[in-house]
Amino acid sequence: GAVVSQHPSWVICKSGTSVKIECRSLDFQATTMFWYRQFPKQSLMLMATSNEGSKATYEQGVEKDKFLINHASLTLSTLTVTSAHPEDSSFYICSARGTRETQYFGPGTRLLVL
Amino acid sequence: QKEVEQDPGPLSVPEGAIVSLNCTYSNSAFQYFMWYRQYSRKGPELLMYTYSSGNKEDGRFTAQVDKSSKYISLFIRDSQPSDSATYLCAMSESGGGADGLTFGKGTHLIIQP
Repeated sequence: GAVVSQHPSWVICKSGTSVKIECRSLDFQATTMFWYRQFPKQSLMLMATSNEGSKATYEQGVEKDKFLINHASLTLSTLTVTSAHPEDSSFYICSARGTRETQYFGPGTRLLVL
Repeated sequence: QKEVEQDPGPLSVPEGAIVSLNCTYSNSAFQYFMWYRQYSRKGPELLMYTYSSGNKEDGRFTAQVDKSSKYISLFIRDSQPSDSATYLCAMSESGGGADGLTFGKGTHLIIQP
């Protein structure tokens, strides 16, 4: 139980284009999902908290107009990186709040912007 | 000073050894402490979850929390080559998965056969 999937697992795009990443809780409903970013040899850094049916809450320093988050259902949250630039290249990981008192993580999406 | 400090390693030990992994933190409001295991290019997998100070054991894994010292530990007994991975400590002020987690950088552990 408590499986979280992400799609795609990796994506390469040109600078200036937009990329959408999906995060799904497969066997449970998640009222809250989180988006993290991890640069090589660095910690996972929380980007935003996404609650179903409401606007996401962004961490300080994260541009909400650049990283669009939509949590339209209890099992799906999406992160869209708009007008991507090479510095946005990173490992993006989502997590979902499960029935246990913690978060379950997806396998991550590796984004490379050329 | 960063909120969570964790030695990135690598830490290399022989198979069968007891492994000790540690994190220190500065935010006294943290009350929930977790250890995750992350294999290369994969998402973190929850290993241990503890609340406040004390010990918790699950199979070969033991998690310790000392809130007075702001210090948490993960012990792995009878270490196996398959335990080779990066171990991340994480913590939050609120439980129930309601808040985003604050992570350490992770310790890269290598178990030598």
